[in-house]
Amino acid sequence: AQSVAQPEDQVNVAEGNPLTVKCTYSVSGNPYLFWYVQYPNRGLQFLLKYITGDNLVKGSYGFEAEFNKSQTSFHLKKPSALVSDSALYFCAVRDGGGGNKLTFGTGTQLKVEL
Amino acid sequence: GAVVSQHPSRVICKSGTSVKIECRSLDFQATTMFWYRQFPKKSLMLMATSNEGSKATYEQGVEKDKFLINHASLTLSTLTVTSAHPEDSSFYICSAMGTGGGGYTFGSGTRLTVV
Repeated sequence: AQSVAQPEDQVNVAEGNPLTVKCTYSVSGNPYLFWYVQYPNRGLQFLLKYITGDNLVKGSYGFEAEFNKSQTSFHLKKPSALVSDSALYFCAVRDGGGGNKLTFGTGTQLKVEL
Repeated sequence: GAVVSQHPSRVICKSGTSVKIECRSLDFQATTMFWYRQFPKKSLMLMATSNEGSKATYEQGVEKDKFLINHASLTLSTLTVTSAHPEDSSFYICSAMGTGGGGYTFGSGTRLTVV
């Protein structure tokens, strides 16, 4: 079985400061990892994904994430947060060994304040 | 990039009636579509997976006779909530995977309110 943990329900950060949203995962095969962002009453927007290759993945809107196999983590980061980054962020995993179902974490509400 | 159109975005219906939600892939062929339900401030719960031309695979605990899924073409999947009740009120989101298999594109969601 595959699973994702997002340990923080909410993260608060001041605009201009770096932000980190944490994610750890569990899969039996090689992980395919994704980050999505959701604004109120909207679907999910793709930010970035890791399938193979470089452990540091750069995505949309200045976000990046680092795949750490030993810690089974895939934390989302941004060097300088914007108020407009305030939204709900989901980490998701798919087992690369088979199947195409995505399993989502519980989500982390990011609040960026002036 | 890949776009998935989902509509309606909002629907209010009376208890006992049925509601159909459509999900279309606009610029790619969606071999697989996924339907999710999201409760307020909660994660997405996968309801079912559908492959074009075959019956949907429902997750444990999801009533297949209540949530009818049809994936008759490579660009269209529908979710019909039959005999809706207030507890079916939720935010429903579809997602499509193309023939390449690597990525998932999400619809913008449907807010269903059953009164």
